[in-house]
Amino acid sequence: GDSVTQMEGPVTLSEEAFLTINCTYTATGYPSLFWYVQYPGEGLQLLLKATKADDKGSNKGFEATYRKETTSFHLEKGSVQVSDSAVYFCALTLGGGATNKLIFGTGTLLAVQP
Amino acid sequence: NAGVTQTPKFQVLKTGQSMTLQCAQDMNHEYMSWYRQDPGMGLRLIHYSVGAGITDQGEVPNGYNVSRSTTEDFPLRLLSAAPSQTSVYFCASSYTVSGRGGDTQYFGPGTRLTVL
Repeated sequence: GDSVTQMEGPVTLSEEAFLTINCTYTATGYPSLFWYVQYPGEGLQLLLKATKADDKGSNKGFEATYRKETTSFHLEKGSVQVSDSAVYFCALTLGGGATNKLIFGTGTLLAVQP
Repeated sequence: NAGVTQTPKFQVLKTGQSMTLQCAQDMNHEYMSWYRQDPGMGLRLIHYSVGAGITDQGEVPNGYNVSRSTTEDFPLRLLSAAPSQTSVYFCASSYTVSGRGGDTQYFGPGTRLTVL
């Protein structure tokens, strides 16, 4: 079935370090891909998205490129800050009926130390 | 614009009790959904609605009921709570069921439910 796999955490980095969180997917058809972020005690909010192959989503210094050939959507940031500490979820939706059903990965906790 | 609101924020129930988790959105979104978040499992879809009067089951619907009488509200009912329903519940909405699958979903702040 359709699924999302992301690297397990926690990921602990020092401030200004480079961040990569790996995400791969299995899906029939042509999914849209998302990264959502959950700050402590809050709900999820969209970080970035890409709706077709080779699209790059970007926001707040984060980037991810939709790679159909490797079925991946890895999240990157060149220089993390303490305020980036959160749980990051990779997710997908599929085309067709009820297309907004999100399929989530298990989440990756990022802890950035000063 | 309040976005997606959920009440209550916290709730403790005893096994067998019933309750309703409230969800409302003021963005005139067609699509609304309920997810539960459990450690190590990400978020899983419980029920969803593509418009007033239309609901359908998600991945984990057992033990939960929903209805959608208005565009704004999408309550989730637990008829007889069980310890396995201890979780954090999130409501989400999006503007359109576009057929393209790329619509952004907006999440509420969550309800943390404990069933003893």
